[in-house]
Amino acid sequence: DAKTTQPPSMDCAEGRAANLPCNHSTISGNEYVYWYRQIHSQGPQYIIHGLKNNETNEMASLIITEDRKSSTLILPHATLRDTAVYYCIVRGSSQGAQKLVFGQGTRLTINP
Amino acid sequence: GAVVSQHPSWVICKSGTSVKIECRSLDFQATTMFWYRQFPKQSLMLMATSNEGSKATYEQGVEKDKFLINHASLTLSTLTVTSAHPEDSSFYICSADGSSSYEQYFGPGTRLTVT
Repeated sequence: DAKTTQPPSMDCAEGRAANLPCNHSTISGNEYVYWYRQIHSQGPQYIIHGLKNNETNEMASLIITEDRKSSTLILPHATLRDTAVYYCIVRGSSQGAQKLVFGQGTRLTINP
Repeated sequence: GAVVSQHPSWVICKSGTSVKIECRSLDFQATTMFWYRQFPKQSLMLMATSNEGSKATYEQGVEKDKFLINHASLTLSTLTVTSAHPEDSSFYICSADGSSSYEQYFGPGTRLTVT
């Protein structure tokens, strides 16, 4: 599985957009970029995933660069409840490659 | 969305005893389930992958005789920590893959404390 690199921590003001970067320079053509978050003492929560195109859902937007070597997760209007550790994970799509390998993630703190 | 439950949510046991943790997919069938362990202020570490009806595949460094995994049905996987020791105290989290989804659904976790 391709390795990802994320900043260890970030701060964002409540109501502003939170932009979380992720580098995955060794990603291969059939690997997806997934984002999960973990609020303290809970199981991880799926946010969004993508392959090549930018994606948007009710929680966030995912912007993937054209060369696919990096991506950015955007929380458009961050709230205090978005304070969590955010994990960017590269995952294969073929059978037997379903496991998620978690890195250290980014600890996002939303400040009032 | 799909729901994965774990039982118990927390457990305290004495050193040397065994503890069983259940992971259930409540509204879907899970062909594959995963078990993770998380120590304080650390990331999740994958322990093993279990497929219904077959033996689990353990990650390197995880003792298969100590962490027994059984995936007897499409909705239930169990993790038994045998002869638990204080260093086994951790947050254990399971997840499940649906058969037709790219999303992996996580349980709420089980906090194990071994005294």
